[in-house]
Amino acid sequence: GEDVEQSLFLSVREGDSSVINCTYTDSSSTYLYWYKQEPGAGLQLLTYIFSNMDMKQDQRLTVLLNKKDKHLSLRIADTQTGDSAIYFCALDTGGGNKLTFGTGTQLKVEL
Amino acid sequence: NAGVTQTPKFQVLKTGQSMTLQCAQDMNHNSMYWYRQDPGMGLRLIYYSASEGTTDKGEVPNGYNVSRLNKREFSLRLESAAPSQTSVYFCASSEDLGQPTYNEQFFGPGTRLTVL
Repeated sequence: GEDVEQSLFLSVREGDSSVINCTYTDSSSTYLYWYKQEPGAGLQLLTYIFSNMDMKQDQRLTVLLNKKDKHLSLRIADTQTGDSAIYFCALDTGGGNKLTFGTGTQLKVEL
Repeated sequence: NAGVTQTPKFQVLKTGQSMTLQCAQDMNHNSMYWYRQDPGMGLRLIYYSASEGTTDKGEVPNGYNVSRLNKREFSLRLESAAPSQTSVYFCASSEDLGQPTYNEQFFGPGTRLTVL
């Protein structure tokens, strides 16, 4: 099956940029997603990228996709304390509407 | 719209007990999913239902059963709970728009289950 790996933790200072990375093994995904999970809550879609794109910008968020290296990243500019959460990358694999989620990266924003 | 709702929020079971986790969505979505979340392992798909009346196994189905009661409701049953099933369980739903288009999954708030 698909393996989707992320670093477990990332700590940044408020106002700095955060970069969360995701590597995967199966290159057949059409869409790749970033979800955010705030403490005690379910996941919410943050943004997504179509597989034929290299980059997508959405306000403070920038998604980069390197298909050759099977690497997806999420950059958050001007990181705020409200950005503290767990971030999951997800890929549509296996057909249908199923997603395979990464292991999740816990982002901690310090003052 | 309430979105995706799950009951209960918390549950403690003893080994061997059974229980059913309830999930309902009011967005008229065709597809529904059950995941479990464990530290360092992300979300793993237990079962999913592409439409009313159909269910399929996901990555970790052993020890679980599901029922897609109608378009709104998708329940997860643990027949004989084991400590390895201690986890946070999430239900999700999505609209099936067909390929190729992006498919946002909407998640419930989760059920925190402890099996002693």
